Amino acid sequence: ELKVEQNPLFLSMQEGKNYTIYCNYSTTSDRLYWYRQDPGKSLESLFVLLSNGAVKQEGRLMASLDTKARLSTLHITAAVHDLSATYFCAVDGGTSYGKLTFGQGTILTVHP
Amino acid sequence: SAVISQKPSRDICQRGTSLTIQCQVDSQVTMMFWYRQQPGQSLTLIATANQGSEATYESGFVIDKFPISRPNLTFSTLTVSNMSPEDSSIYLCSVERTVNTEAFFGQGTRLTVV
Repeated sequence: ELKVEQNPLFLSMQEGKNYTIYCNYSTTSDRLYWYRQDPGKSLESLFVLLSNGAVKQEGRLMASLDTKARLSTLHITAAVHDLSATYFCAVDGGTSYGKLTFGQGTILTVHP
Repeated sequence: SAVISQKPSRDICQRGTSLTIQCQVDSQVTMMFWYRQQPGQSLTLIATANQGSEATYESGFVIDKFPISRPNLTFSTLTVSNMSPEDSSIYLCSVERTVNTEAFFGQGTRLTVV
């Protein structure tokens, strides 16, 4: 059974600081997603990582994937208040694409 | 990106009743997925809906409680049957159109059972 674990689950940051969210998963997968969810909203796709060593960046967020270590990271650079949200990683580990197993989510709060 | 429309966006229902949630995609997709997000929790896959065949349910979810229809390649419904307060959740549909593309989510249906 595929398991996905995120840490930390809660992250309180000051504006301007850097931090990393970690996502570990238990079985081989060639597809990992990062999503953002604002309160009461659906999921916003941030990144899709498809291969070992993949790195993608968008604004203050950068995601990477190490398939050998079964680890993905979401790095936040110079945090701003607008980044406050819940961040989920999800791994596509099924026999058919699209069946996602989600991590627990990381609730990020950025303080002035 | 795929455009996914879910209806209703929210509802408050009496226990013992049923609610059908609709998911419409702007283009044909092979598989559609239904997820549940209980309050303060992560997302859990309920079932995979394939056109022309029975839905495939994940462990802990049964067809009698969550019947699914998939009449064509752009539409699916999820019914939450005989509801209890424990069914209060956000229900989301998702599609992945082709290999090597993203998995997109609908806006979600926020269900409250009283």
